[in-house]
Amino acid sequence: GAVVSQHPSWVICKSGTSVKIECRSLDFQATTMFWYRQFPKQSLMLMATSNEGSKATYEQGVEKDKFLINHASLTLSTLTVTSAHPEDSSFYICSARAKDPLAKNIQYFGAGTRLSVL
Amino acid sequence: GQSLEQPSEVTAVEGAIVQINCTYQTSGFYGLSWYQQHDGGAPTFLSYNALDGLEETGRFSSFLSRSDSYGYLLLQELQMKDSASYFCAVHILYNTDKLIFGTGTRLQVFP
Repeated sequence: GAVVSQHPSWVICKSGTSVKIECRSLDFQATTMFWYRQFPKQSLMLMATSNEGSKATYEQGVEKDKFLINHASLTLSTLTVTSAHPEDSSFYICSARAKDPLAKNIQYFGAGTRLSVL
Repeated sequence: GQSLEQPSEVTAVEGAIVQINCTYQTSGFYGLSWYQQHDGGAPTFLSYNALDGLEETGRFSSFLSRSDSYGYLLLQELQMKDSASYFCAVHILYNTDKLIFGTGTRLQVFP
């Protein structure tokens, strides 16, 4: 159980285009989903926290108009990188925290999306 | 601000025991988790400590001392497949309930 699916796993796009990444919890309801960014051989940097049906909370320094987050249901959150530029190239990972209070605050991670902007 | 420190790299041989330390300075702390990540893969949950003491899960154990703002992950009977990056992550409740990850420790296991 506790599977998080992230799609696509890899995307290449031209500079100036927008890219949407989906994150789904397949076998549990997620009250909260998180979006992280990871550069090679570095740590995971939290970008934003999203709760179903409400606006996302962005970390300091993350542009909310650049990284649009939608959390329309308890099983789906999307991250849209708008007007992508080469410096946005990175590994983006989502995670989901179960609604079950016995879940011990475990976050379950998707497999990540590698974004390359040309 | 929030800060977590881990050793950047640890090496060991198969069958050995390794301890990865984590020290933290955070506001709103309420727990410490450990995650494993293989190159190019997703982080996978290993353990969670909310209270002081040792939690054991198979070959992996995790320890927390809240008064010292310190924890560690202990890996026993190392196997080649344990070669990966290991991250400590603090659970904080500060505006939102979230995880802040440490710098990560790259473990290399040699035969």
